[in-house]
Amino acid sequence: DVKVTQSSRYLVKRTGEKVFLECVQDMDHENMFWYRQDPGLGLRLIYFSYDVKMKEKGDIPEGYSVSREKKERFSLILESASTNQTSMYLCASSSTSGGPRGGYNEQFFGPGTRLTVL
Amino acid sequence: KQEVTQIPAALSVPEGENLVLNCSFTDSAIYNLQWFRQDPGKGLTSLLLIQSSQREQTSGRLNASLDKSSGRSTLYIAASQPGDSATYLCAATSGGSYIPTFGRGTSLIVHP
Repeated sequence: DVKVTQSSRYLVKRTGEKVFLECVQDMDHENMFWYRQDPGLGLRLIYFSYDVKMKEKGDIPEGYSVSREKKERFSLILESASTNQTSMYLCASSSTSGGPRGGYNEQFFGPGTRLTVL
Repeated sequence: KQEVTQIPAALSVPEGENLVLNCSFTDSAIYNLQWFRQDPGKGLTSLLLIQSSQREQTSGRLNASLDKSSGRSTLYIAASQPGDSATYLCAATSGGSYIPTFGRGTSLIVHP
């Protein structure tokens, strides 16, 4: 089974702090994604990566950056946390070739990190 | 740009009913369509993936169908149980993209 893990289930930070959210997948997937989910707004894509050291902006990249130094790990960084970044953050991964690692572009999600910025 | 709509937004049914959740998409040139389940405060769990060349997929009491020409997918849940209570989301990935477009979900309550 594909497993996607996130470093924390719950996180409380103060305004202005630098925040790191880590995501690790164990299925050698090429693609990794960071979303945030808010009531009434659904899932919104922050950043995605289709290869090591490659990244692309999603729909709402402002205030965020990402790092992918190794294929299995994708980090989301809040440079200076603000209260409007309080949200559920979800990481996902997918394979571009399918097979035992899941269907072509089938997304697998981590358990989520509930971030509260005070 | 792909848009995905799920209707209804919420559904409450008695245990044992067979039910259908709907997902519509605007761009019929999709690679695949995926159904997810999300429990409160948790991540999304993949239920079924239908590739563009397929018409349906089945897993246990779940059956998902895909009709690209009409821009619709349905998730059929047979003999619903209280444990099926969750939010169900669909996501369509268009041709040439790695990135799915998600619907807002249908919140399902199955009461005993």
